[in-house]
Amino acid sequence: DVKVTQSSRYLVKRTGEKVFLECVQDMDHENMFWYRQDPGLGLRLIYFSYDVKMKEKGDIPEGYSVSREKKERFSLILESASTNQTSMYLCASSLSGEGGDTQYFGPGTRLTVL
Amino acid sequence: GDSVTQMEGPVTLSEEAFLTINCTYTATGYPSLFWYVQYPGEGLQLLLKATKADDKGSNKGFEATYRKETTSFHLEKGSVQVSDSAVYFCALSDKGDKIIFGKGTRLHILP
Repeated sequence: DVKVTQSSRYLVKRTGEKVFLECVQDMDHENMFWYRQDPGLGLRLIYFSYDVKMKEKGDIPEGYSVSREKKERFSLILESASTNQTSMYLCASSLSGEGGDTQYFGPGTRLTVL
Repeated sequence: GDSVTQMEGPVTLSEEAFLTINCTYTATGYPSLFWYVQYPGEGLQLLLKATKADDKGSNKGFEATYRKETTSFHLEKGSVQVSDSAVYFCALSDKGDKIIFGKGTRLHILP
């Protein structure tokens, strides 16, 4: 089974702190994604990556950056956390090409910014 | 651009009731269509998918048929259980490997 793990299930940070959310997948997937999930808004794509050291902006990249130094790991960085970044953050991965339309999700990190 | 619209929740049913969650889509090409489910405290997991018109996806008693003429992919189950309580997301993939999700429908099943 594909396994996607996220470094924390719950995280509490203060406004202005730098926050790192880590995601690791163990199935050699090329594609990795970061979403945030908010009530009434569903899932919104923040950033994605098709390969090591490659990144693409999603629908709401403002206030976020990402890093992909190794194929299995995709990090989401909040340079200076703000209260409006309080949310559930979901990481996903998928194959490239055939079968790449199915994404596999981690359990999520619920981030609270005070 | 491409989009997915699904019925708003929450939907509350009694155990063994028939379930339908409506989903319609807008896409310029010929997308693959999905239903994902999110159980409490967990991430999303794929429930079923269909890749072309008239395909039927099925899993765990749930079914959905890809209807190109009505641009729909409604989720159905004949007899729901308390364990089906979750949030259900309709989604499509049209260009490359990105997926567009609906806003989700929360389902409550009463014993």
